[in-house]
Amino acid sequence: GAVVSQHPSWVICKSGTSVKIECRSLDFQATTMFWYRQFPKQSLMLMATSNEGSKATYEQGVEKDKFLINHASLTLSTLTVTSAHPEDSSFYICSARMGASWEQYFGPGTRLTVT
Amino acid sequence: AQKVTQAQTEISVVEKEDVTLDCVYETRDTTYYLFWYKQPPSGELVFLIRRNSFDEQNEISGRYSWNFQKSTSSFNFTITASQVVDSAVYFCALSEASITGGGNKLTFGTGTQLKVEL
Repeated sequence: GAVVSQHPSWVICKSGTSVKIECRSLDFQATTMFWYRQFPKQSLMLMATSNEGSKATYEQGVEKDKFLINHASLTLSTLTVTSAHPEDSSFYICSARMGASWEQYFGPGTRLTVT
Repeated sequence: AQKVTQAQTEISVVEKEDVTLDCVYETRDTTYYLFWYKQPPSGELVFLIRRNSFDEQNEISGRYSWNFQKSTSSFNFTITASQVVDSAVYFCALSEASITGGGNKLTFGTGTQLKVEL
């Protein structure tokens, strides 16, 4: 089946530093990738949608300069949290979709803690 | 705008009881998809089922069953003879259909925490 990986699975960083999270589709080409954020005991909120080779589309209220998304290839998308602050601590989940398929394949998530 | 409501924030049952998780959705689209996902404590989302808006047939998969009623905009999920391993957060989600017929971004409900105790 379609497998999506995320790296790292968890990361702790100091306030003010930047953190990059990778999302890879291991056995299929992902034309579209989605990034979600989930705060403790809350729902998943879509942050942005990225299509390979083009700029990401951010949801309302998500700062594009703070959450940099790059989808440079059909198997890799990255999310960089710039100048991270404690309020950015969250569980970040990516998903990938091939072509116009209805199905999104989710990665295992990355837990970010900013101290 | 799309919206998914899961009014039950937490449900506790004793093992072997049946439990139904409610999901009510709102959308202006005539073509859409509905999903249920399970999120165990590990955090990884587990896909359970997808339904498109033209398929109102109920579905049963082992101990799981789903009741889709377009008339009430509901897509409820029932676990029969619950087990401790069913303990997790369950999310209902809605996706509008893209022009090509595939899915688009998912709108998630707030989730229902299910606790199954011995």
